[in-house]
Amino acid sequence: AQKITQTQPGMFVQEKEAVTLDCTYDTSDQSYGLFWYKQPSSGEMIFLIYQGSYDEQNATEGRYSLNFQKARKSANLVISASQLGDSAMYFCAIPSTDSWGKLQFGAGTQVVVTP
Amino acid sequence: GAVVSQHPSRVICKSGTSVKIECRSLDFQATTMFWYRQFPKKSLMLMATSNEGSKATYEQGVEKDKFLINHASLTLSTLTVTSAHPEDSSFYICSARGGREGQPQHFGDGTRLSIL
Repeated sequence: AQKITQTQPGMFVQEKEAVTLDCTYDTSDQSYGLFWYKQPSSGEMIFLIYQGSYDEQNATEGRYSLNFQKARKSANLVISASQLGDSAMYFCAIPSTDSWGKLQFGAGTQVVVTP
Repeated sequence: GAVVSQHPSRVICKSGTSVKIECRSLDFQATTMFWYRQFPKKSLMLMATSNEGSKATYEQGVEKDKFLINHASLTLSTLTVTSAHPEDSSFYICSARGGREGQPQHFGDGTRLSIL
């Protein structure tokens, strides 16, 4: 079974600073992917970034980047130049072994960006 | 713009009422959709996989008679919470994705269900 772990329940970060959100996973699959989603207080889930296990380069998407360390089974999200609008819950997720569509989510990290 | 539409966004109703939540894929066909439940300050938990034209697949511990899922077309799945009670109050959110690996799930905006 897949397992995904986010150990930071909450973080404060100052505006314009970078923040790293931890995510570790456990899977027996050779090929897999990792997703990061953002959930503001309004509740919608916003897709941020994806990393495939065979991608040689770390994924980047604007101010979001992944620090993917396959051997350590970690896929940390880095948000650069934090903005007040980045305040939200952030979830790391991995697809289920039996269905790519079924996502298993980590517990989430609450990020609060302060002026 | 949104690619998955979920309706209603908020429901408040009396105990014993059945509530239907709709999830539509707007610009793609989804043979499979997923329903999640989220308690306050908690992560999303997969409830069931909705399969177009066939029965839904429920995760362990989810009562299929309580949470009825119908996926009658390639763009619409519905979740009906039957005879809802206060313990069913939660945030329910659906998702669907394109067919290729690596494509992200697109989520609806969720439904906040409050049973009085």
